[in-house]
Amino acid sequence: DSGVTQTPKHLITATGQRVTLRCSPRSGDLSVYWYQQSLDQGLQFLIQYYNGEERAKGNILERFSAQQFPDLHSELNLSSLELGDSALYFCASSVAGATNEKLFFGSGTQLSVL
Amino acid sequence: AQKITQTQPGMFVQEKEAVTLDCTYDTSDPSYGLFWYKQPSSGEMIFLIYQGSYDQQNATEGRYSLNFQKARKSANLVISASQLGDSAMYFCAMSPGSGNTGKLIFGQGTTLQVKP
Repeated sequence: DSGVTQTPKHLITATGQRVTLRCSPRSGDLSVYWYQQSLDQGLQFLIQYYNGEERAKGNILERFSAQQFPDLHSELNLSSLELGDSALYFCASSVAGATNEKLFFGSGTQLSVL
Repeated sequence: AQKITQTQPGMFVQEKEAVTLDCTYDTSDPSYGLFWYKQPSSGEMIFLIYQGSYDQQNATEGRYSLNFQKARKSANLVISASQLGDSAMYFCAMSPGSGNTGKLIFGQGTTLQVKP
């Protein structure tokens, strides 16, 4: 158990809908990362937050947004969903969000868009 | 741009034998970190081993060792005495040295199957 909690584990929805994925980092970790894993794109970095502020942005679509709250949990919002958004979405956390830190991953949310 | 390349989509190894999973990287940063993660069929990502670009010695963690060849920009993972539970997808990843971010850039992964 990595200590990173993601909910829900599975999510099935329809095209055009909006969903919210939730992540609680390990106790003491200030930084949260979101990744998308799909068969064709592999593991893609989406966005990183540190102590409530956005620190780095990757290949995140404009239809997607994220935030980190004062209690350090994070939410990833996916809107106007398309079939291609079906993927495994991981949250990870690290202590200070700095270079060369080990990332601890949650068990992921499997999103299926039908 | 930073990039990680894993050229072996799939590998087989006999139980109790050693296996090497290849990883090459590309970066112009002098300081960076290299990681290996394991993803079993259950889906979670498990940290295995870390090597810093300035570390003089190759990293080891139990049955895992990282064969770091800086001039060749390679960071191969060696698993000794393979076990059936080692069957999984293995990802090599790099932490860029610049940009004050802990994000990891991942390779495409190698699927390892351990045969009894």
